Amino acid sequence: AQTVTQSQPEMSVQEAETVTLSCTYDTSENNYYLFWYKQPPSRQMILVIRQEAYKQQNATENRFSVNFQKAAKSFSLKISDSQLGDTAMYFCAFRGDSGAGSYQLTFGKGTKLSVIP
Amino acid sequence: KAGVTQTPRYLIKTRGQQVTLSCSPISGHRSVSWYQQTPGQGLQFLFEYFSETQRNKGNFPGRFSGRQFSNSRSEMNVSTLELGDSALYLCASSLVKFGLTGEKYTFGSGTRLTVV
Repeated sequence: AQTVTQSQPEMSVQEAETVTLSCTYDTSENNYYLFWYKQPPSRQMILVIRQEAYKQQNATENRFSVNFQKAAKSFSLKISDSQLGDTAMYFCAFRGDSGAGSYQLTFGKGTKLSVIP
Repeated sequence: KAGVTQTPRYLIKTRGQQVTLSCSPISGHRSVSWYQQTPGQGLQFLFEYFSETQRNKGNFPGRFSGRQFSNSRSEMNVSTLELGDSALYLCASSLVKFGLTGEKYTFGSGTRLTVV
C-alpha cells in the first residue's frame, strides 16, 4: 500500500515571499502520478500541479513548481511570490499506474499554509 | 464547462438514520470516485464507479454503498448513521480512455454531513 507523508502541519509565509511544502511517499510501483491539491475554505479541491513519475523534468505552473526526486521519493511544492489567495490547505497525493484500470488517490494529511500580508 | 456538482451542500442527520448524497460529474467523465474527509483520518478513498459498476472500494464498512447511473451521475448511501460518519464527502470525476481512469481528477465542493 502506498503512503504519503506531509511533515509540516502548518506553515506561514510573508506575502511576495517564497515557501516550500514538503511531501514524501512510499511505493513499490515504478510508474505513478503525483499531485498537489489546494483546498481553500470553500472546500473544493483544486489541482495545483501534477507530475508524471516517468518524466525527469520538474513540473511548473506559473508561480508553482515542484522538486521531484524519484530515488528519494520526495515531491516538494515551491510557491513563489506568495499571494493572499494562496492561503489554504495543501494536500500531496499519489496515484499508481499499474494498468489495472481503476485508480484511487492516496492523500497526505495536509499542510495549512497562511500567507501574511 | 460545468464542474462537478454535489448535492446537498449541507446535511444534518440523526444517528441511526440513512442518507443519500449525489454527485454529477463533468460531462464526458465516466469515472466517479468518492472520498471521506475528516480532521482525524484525513482524506480516505471510499469507492470508484465506472459504467454503472463499482471497480474499486476502500476500507469502509458495508453501511457505505453507492451506485452510478447510465448518465454517469453517482449516489452514495450511508445506512445506520453513526456519529463518526460526520465528515465532508467529496466526489471526483475523471475521463476514462481504453478502460483506464485518467490522471486528472476534478473535485466537487463536497457535502458536509453532520450526524447528531
